[in-house]
Amino acid sequence: GAGVSQTPSNKVTEKGKYVELRCDPISGHTALYWYRQSLGQGPEFLIYFQGTGAADDSGLPNDRFFAVRPEGSVSTLKIQRTERGDSAVYLCASRRQGLLNTGELFFGEGSRLTVL
Amino acid sequence: KNEVEQSPQNLTAQEGEFITINCSYSVGISALHWLQQHPGGGIVSLFMLSSGKKKHGRLIATINIQEKHSSLHITASHPRDSAVYICAVSDFGNEKLTFGTGTRLTIIP
Repeated sequence: GAGVSQTPSNKVTEKGKYVELRCDPISGHTALYWYRQSLGQGPEFLIYFQGTGAADDSGLPNDRFFAVRPEGSVSTLKIQRTERGDSAVYLCASRRQGLLNTGELFFGEGSRLTVL
Repeated sequence: KNEVEQSPQNLTAQEGEFITINCSYSVGISALHWLQQHPGGGIVSLFMLSSGKKKHGRLIATINIQEKHSSLHITASHPRDSAVYICAVSDFGNEKLTFGTGTRLTIIP
């Protein structure tokens, strides 16, 4: 596609529910990143994929968070048993190769998650 | 873990003024990014640099590796430049970006 696409753009859910957030990166971009941005803060790293594999998941806050990228393109961030503290904007970014290969990073518009 | 600090946190200026936003980091990096975020969340990459200086239109980014410091300059500022400007760094040997908290810039006509 023309840019990084994220769906849904807004999601309101109740505490304890399961949520999936989708990211469709730019075609041909092998590197995909998930970040979380709370109000008034800079984005925080969650997980990085190179192709189908999660190369670095050290930013996932706990085992309620999981992400997949089964075919090396679309990625889904999954949050189980949501808590109010999970409320944030979840940002996805993609890059043609890994960061150290100096390709420009492209961000999606984000998915705003609100847990009531 | 790298610590990234930006200053100022908020900046209001008149149209036409020369703008400088600063970024300091604590640990040696492989690259530094300047990003622009408009209301509603969209983030656009402005620059990625590991040394020296880059220029794109009215925007100039510089980095001093020895001092662990970077600046973003905007010449002839315009109200459409109003946004949050974020500095982010990548450490050697990993793919994570560490972000600053951003500088909210408001340009008044």
